[in-house]
Amino acid sequence: AQTVTQSQPEMSVQEAETVTLSCTYDTSENNYYLFWYKQPPSRQMILVIRQEAYKQQNATENRFSVNFQKAAKSFSLKISDSQLGDTAMYFCAFMSRNAGNMLTFGGGTRLMVKP
Amino acid sequence: EAGVAQSPRYKIIEKRQSVAFWCNPISGHATLYWYQQILGQGPKLLIQFQNNGVVDDSQLPKDRFSAERLKGVDSTLKIQPAKLEDSAVYLCASSVTSGTQAEFGPGTRLLVL
Repeated sequence: AQTVTQSQPEMSVQEAETVTLSCTYDTSENNYYLFWYKQPPSRQMILVIRQEAYKQQNATENRFSVNFQKAAKSFSLKISDSQLGDTAMYFCAFMSRNAGNMLTFGGGTRLMVKP
Repeated sequence: EAGVAQSPRYKIIEKRQSVAFWCNPISGHATLYWYQQILGQGPKLLIQFQNNGVVDDSQLPKDRFSAERLKGVDSTLKIQPAKLEDSAVYLCASSVTSGTQAEFGPGTRLLVL
């Protein structure tokens, strides 16, 4: 079974600054995807960014980028130029392609962006 | 395209009562997931369907929870009887079979008194 660990329950950052959220995972598989999802207060879970395990290049989506270290099983999210709207819970997730797209989540990091 | 639909959005019941939640996935999405998210925690997978078959239900408390996806499209999740610890948000998500991400519905917030 896969496990996903987010070691930072809460973080805060000043508006316009950069913050990095950590995630580690444990798996014996080679065929998988990793995701960061954002869940604003009382709102829907939305995908922020995804990374295919077979790709060495780190994924980027505008102000969001990841540092994917496959050997270390680490998958951190960097948010640049933080905005007030980035305040949310952030969940790291692992999708096993060998197990019918089973999707496992970490415990989440609560990010507060301060004005 | 329309997103994942869930109803009701909120439900308050007393312990030992029954409750049912409904989910309609994105059209063409063969994989459907039900997650339980307790306040302050990450979502926990309850059951995963591929079309109308169960892929994984190892974490579903089968003595009180049941789920079905009879025609391989929409799905219902039932709790009977409910316990206080079932208070949570129940999230439905879907993905295409060979897809790379799951899309989530707005969730059903359940409070058991």
